[in-house]
Amino acid sequence: GAVVSQHPSRVICKSGTSVKIECRSLDFQATTMFWYRQFPKQSLMLMATSNEGSKATYEQGVEKDKFLINHASLTLSTLTVTSAHPEDSSFYICSARRAGGGIQYFGAGTRLSVL
Amino acid sequence: KNEVEQSPQNLTAQEGEFITINCSYSVGISALHWLQQHPGGGIVSLFMLSSGKKKHGRLIATINIQEKHSSLHITASHPRDSAVYICAAHNNNDMRFGAGTRLTVKP
Repeated sequence: GAVVSQHPSRVICKSGTSVKIECRSLDFQATTMFWYRQFPKQSLMLMATSNEGSKATYEQGVEKDKFLINHASLTLSTLTVTSAHPEDSSFYICSARRAGGGIQYFGAGTRLSVL
Repeated sequence: KNEVEQSPQNLTAQEGEFITINCSYSVGISALHWLQQHPGGGIVSLFMLSSGKKKHGRLIATINIQEKHSSLHITASHPRDSAVYICAAHNNNDMRFGAGTRLTVKP
């Protein structure tokens, strides 16, 4: 089945640094990728939707200058948390979908801890 | 009221029991997903269905479009089934998630 690889799985960083999370579709071309955030014991919340080659669409309340998304190829999207602060500590999950819609395949997630 | 409601929130079962998790939604959908989230956080897509019933191993998912209701069943439950199960209503680019059902299967 389709596989989405997300890296790193865990990152600890100091406040003020930037962190990049990669999301790769390993055996299919993902025209659309989604980035979610999950706080402890809460459901996933969509942060942004990115289509290959175009700017990401951010959900209301998500700062696009804070969470930079790049979807430069059909197999790779990146989320960069700029100038991370402790309140950015969370679990970030990506998912990818083929052209034409259908099932979303989820990455394993990245647990970000900002000290 | 949430657009996607799951019940129960928490469920504890003995190994071997038959388990049902319910999902009701109030939005229009093109498909409904059932996801499994392991304790470490990783998510696996179990089913995507838009009508009827699907079966994969010990897992069965059903959906009633008219009633806007879906169920996930686990037969002969096992401790390794312990996880959070999430239903998600999918409409084009929009996916709305339920709060999840935390399942614990005791040996």
